[in-house]
Amino acid sequence: EPEVTQTPSHQVTQMGQEVILRCVPISNHLYFYWYRQILGQKVEFLVSFYNNEISEKSEIFDDQFSVERPDGSNFTLKIRSTKLEDSAMYFCASSDNGYTFGSGTRLTVV
Amino acid sequence: AQSVTQPDIHITVSEGASLELRCNYSYGATPYLFWYVQSPGQGLQLLLKYFSGDTLVQGIKGFEAEFKRSQSSFNLRKPSVHWSDAAEYFCAVGAQYTGNQFYFGTGTSLTVIP
Repeated sequence: EPEVTQTPSHQVTQMGQEVILRCVPISNHLYFYWYRQILGQKVEFLVSFYNNEISEKSEIFDDQFSVERPDGSNFTLKIRSTKLEDSAMYFCASSDNGYTFGSGTRLTVV
Repeated sequence: AQSVTQPDIHITVSEGASLELRCNYSYGATPYLFWYVQSPGQGLQLLLKYFSGDTLVQGIKGFEAEFKRSQSSFNLRKPSVHWSDAAEYFCAVGAQYTGNQFYFGTGTSLTVIP
């Protein structure tokens, strides 16, 4: 079964540093998403992306966040200047007529 | 407002016992409903989903869920729980049309005792 692939599985970064989380969505999917899950909390929507632009974003997705589809296969989430509270599991998802999540990247900001 | 409620934060069952995890939703359009399972430190694994048709859906690992529109519920069941089922379970609702965000419940943590 096709999968959404996320790399790295775990990233540790220093506060204030930029970090890029990478995702390879399912190849024929058209919609892409990022969600995050702070430890012990529920999964929260960050942003959705379609046709090379953001289609919806939550209030969490402020100016320090950006998304990009740099080529035909990758979908990235950039956090410009990480804060301690950005520590979370970040999930990428893609959809066409169903929704598939990646296994997540655990981001730890120290 | 769109929301998902999982009223049980934590459930403990004995191995071999039956299980029911509750999920209620509030959604302004025709809902697509999902159950995901998450082991500690791991990603989200889809157990089952409901789009339309038969309101009783079968999933992986012996799980099933029943959609009840009149009660706005989508409860997850398993007739006989295994120790390996211990995990966090999330119910989620989304729109019929792709491109819209999903709304997740806060999760139910399942402990299985021998």
